[in-house]
Amino acid sequence: ELKVEQNPLFLSMQEGKNYTIYCNYSTTSDRLYWYRQDPGKSLESLFVLLSNGAVKQEGRLMASLDTKARLSTLHITAAVHDLSATYFCAVAGNTPLVFGKGTRLSVIA
Amino acid sequence: DAGVIQSPRHEVTEMGQEVTLRCKPISGHNSLFWYRQTMMRGLELLIYFNNNVPIDDSGMPEDRFSAKMPNASFSTLKIQPSEPRDSAVYFCASSPSSGSDEQFFGPGTRLTVL
Repeated sequence: ELKVEQNPLFLSMQEGKNYTIYCNYSTTSDRLYWYRQDPGKSLESLFVLLSNGAVKQEGRLMASLDTKARLSTLHITAAVHDLSATYFCAVAGNTPLVFGKGTRLSVIA
Repeated sequence: DAGVIQSPRHEVTEMGQEVTLRCKPISGHNSLFWYRQTMMRGLELLIYFNNNVPIDDSGMPEDRFSAKMPNASFSTLKIQPSEPRDSAVYFCASSPSSGSDEQFFGPGTRLTVL
């Protein structure tokens, strides 16, 4: 059974700082997705990672996938308040996407 | 293109009443998923369909919950009778045909059962 673990689950960071969110999963997969959810809103697709070593970047966010380590990271560079949201990773296996519990990020001044 | 459409966006009802949530997936998508999200339990997959056929309903919490997909462009999630603990945001998501796992989420229905 595919299990997906995110950490940290809660993250409070100052504006301008860097940080990394980790997504570990338990079985072989080479397809991983990151979603963003703003408070009171739905989930929006952020990054699609479809192979080992894949790296995607948008603005201050960069996601990478290491299928051998079964690990994806979401790196935040010089955080700004607008990045405050909950971030989910989701891993594809033989079943529909399995979602992590999400990381609630708060960026404070 | 329109995304996934859900209705109603908000529903307030009293315990014991029947509630029906509706979803229209993105045209051409063959898979449809119903999720429930609460603060306590997070995001839970309730049931999913492939080509209108229910594949896995093991996430449906109780017999009070039922879901149907009579055609490729419409699905319902029904709760009968509703209970206060059913209060949550219910999301519908759809996914293209084989070759892509990516799911596209609707705006959700916020259900409050008094």
